Amino acid sequence: AQTVTQSQPEMSVQEAETVTLSCTYDTSESDYYLFWYKQPPSRQMILVIRQEAYKQQNATENRFSVNFQKAAKSFSLKISDSQLGDAAMYFCAYISGRNTDKLIFGTGTRLQVFP
Amino acid sequence: GAGVSQTPSNKVTEKGKYVELRCDPISGHTALYWYRQSLGQGPEFLIYFQGTGAADDSGLPNDRFFAVRPEGSVSTLKIQRTERGDSAVYLCASSLGRMTQTGVTEAFFGQGTRLTVV
Repeated sequence: AQTVTQSQPEMSVQEAETVTLSCTYDTSESDYYLFWYKQPPSRQMILVIRQEAYKQQNATENRFSVNFQKAAKSFSLKISDSQLGDAAMYFCAYISGRNTDKLIFGTGTRLQVFP
Repeated sequence: GAGVSQTPSNKVTEKGKYVELRCDPISGHTALYWYRQSLGQGPEFLIYFQGTGAADDSGLPNDRFFAVRPEGSVSTLKIQRTERGDSAVYLCASSLGRMTQTGVTEAFFGQGTRLTVV
């Protein structure tokens, strides 16, 4: 069974600085997708970034980028120029490329941003 | 509507009672998902609908949980004989198609229903 592990329950960063959130996963599959979701206090999960496992190039979305290490099964999220609005829970998630539609989530990392 | 809508936002019920949680997906989205998020945890998959049919209900914890989507749009998650352990945030999401389908990039989540069983 696939698992997703986020080993940092909490992280903090100064405004305008850079922070990296860690995620590792376990799978025997070669075709899959990885995601980072942000969950503010409103509870709504918001997609931050998506990575297809078959793509070697790391995904980027403005200030957000990932370091995808397929062999190491690592998928970290880097937030550059952190803003107060980035404060939230961040969840790493995995979905198999096979005929399934289950997102498997990690336990989350709470990010605090200090002015 | 513009996004996924879930009602009620909060629900408090007594142990043993029956509850229904409603999800209005984004118009035109054929795929609909229910997840359960317990305190301090990530969401856990419950059930996935493609159109009107439940394509995968392997995450439903027991036969007290049931979900329907009779017209392929609104879905209702039904919980019978509620227990204190059912207390959690229930999240609904929808997407244009299967999340691994070409052209489908994400599932859009609602704000969830916080269920408290006392």
